[in-house]
Amino acid sequence: DIVLTQTPLSSPVTLGQPASISCRSTQSLVHSDGNTYLSWLQQRPGQPPRLLIYYISNRFSGVPDRFSGSGAGTDFTLKISRVEAEDVGVYYCMQATQFPLTFGGGTKVEIK
Amino acid sequence: EVQLVESGGGLVQPGGSLRLSCAASGFTFSTYWMTWVRQAPGKGLEWVASIKQDGSEEYYVDSVKGRFTVSRDNAKNSLYLQMNGLRDEDTAVYYCARGGKQQLECWGQGTLVTVSS
Repeated sequence: DIVLTQTPLSSPVTLGQPASISCRSTQSLVHSDGNTYLSWLQQRPGQPPRLLIYYISNRFSGVPDRFSGSGAGTDFTLKISRVEAEDVGVYYCMQATQFPLTFGGGTKVEIK
Repeated sequence: EVQLVESGGGLVQPGGSLRLSCAASGFTFSTYWMTWVRQAPGKGLEWVASIKQDGSEEYYVDSVKGRFTVSRDNAKNSLYLQMNGLRDEDTAVYYCARGGKQQLECWGQGTLVTVSS
């Protein structure tokens, strides 16, 4: 099974400052079809998860452009350019390159 | 508007059974993989099962194989999860999500399953 490791576990950020979350995979997430099925989800307190980024760097519909994804192979990053109050929550990376689908352990973004 | 509404959760004793349902609307259900994901209280997300558009392929996390069965009724725009032999560790909020082969695009609000004597 593919294991995804996220760092940091917690990220206290000042409003308006950037935040960055890393996701590292135990094996390459490049699918045999050439695509990389690495996505990022946000879970606000008391809410279901919400897709932010798919295919490493594509923002899903309605996602603000302060969110961006990058990376390749086994190393991926989610960046928030300027953290807003509504960004508080837990962020998960997820791979769908192969079954079983797996999630990272989550990174909690909170305001300092 | 895409909507996924789960139902069927509740309190069940260890060894018991439950059937979860997910009613989909706002999109062509029959053209999407569908997935169940769970979240134990205070914990992270865990993929449970996925099913192909026509039901011809199903995948499960090892911990539920032989106990849980995912199914769908495309005529009713509905996804199901039959859960048998429930254990304490199955206690979680269960979400249905659209997708499964690429990304999980849309999620329901979840339904809580509590396994306890």
